Amino acid sequence: AQKVTQAQTEISVVEKEDVTLDCVYETRDTTYYLFWYKQPPSGELVFLIRRNSFDEQNEISGRYSWNFQKSTSSFNFTITASQVVDSAVYFCALSETLNSGGSNYKLTFGKGTLLTVNP
Amino acid sequence: GAVVSQHPSWVICKSGTSVKIECRSLDFQATTMFWYRQFPKQSLMLMATSNEGSKATYEQGVEKDKFLINHASLTLSTLTVTSAHPEDSSFYICSARDRGRGDTQYFGPGTRLTVL
Repeated sequence: AQKVTQAQTEISVVEKEDVTLDCVYETRDTTYYLFWYKQPPSGELVFLIRRNSFDEQNEISGRYSWNFQKSTSSFNFTITASQVVDSAVYFCALSETLNSGGSNYKLTFGKGTLLTVNP
Repeated sequence: GAVVSQHPSWVICKSGTSVKIECRSLDFQATTMFWYRQFPKQSLMLMATSNEGSKATYEQGVEKDKFLINHASLTLSTLTVTSAHPEDSSFYICSARDRGRGDTQYFGPGTRLTVL
């Protein structure tokens, strides 16, 4: 069975600090996808990134960066120079293929990390 | 792009009534949509996978007669909570899978259901 662990339940930082959100996953699939979503207080989940299992390159998008380490089954997310608007719950998710054709990906979510950025 | 809408955003109803929630993909076609339920301060729990033109696949423990799902077109899926009771009060979120964007699921804004 697939599993996603976000060990950090809550993190509180002061604005402009860097913060890393951890994500560790378990899967038996050789091909899979990893995702990060942001859920602000409004409730809507915002897609941040999708990474496939064959691409271990780290990615940077503005103040966001992701470190994918297949050897340790981790996909960590770093926010540089955090801002108050970054306050949200962040979910890491792993896709599961529902059939041999690889379609109908079902997501397994971690429990989320509540990030609070204080001014 | 990749916008998913949900309607209504919130609803309050009396116990015993049925409530229909709509999920629409606005700028892409979605052969597959998903319905989730989220309790306060908890993660998302997948309820069912909705495939256009076929029956939905429900997760273990989810009552299919209680939560009716219809995916009649490539841009619309509906979830009907039948004979709602207070324990059905929750935040319901849909997502639509965009095959044109690497099968990424894009989420609607959610519907907060309160059953009195």
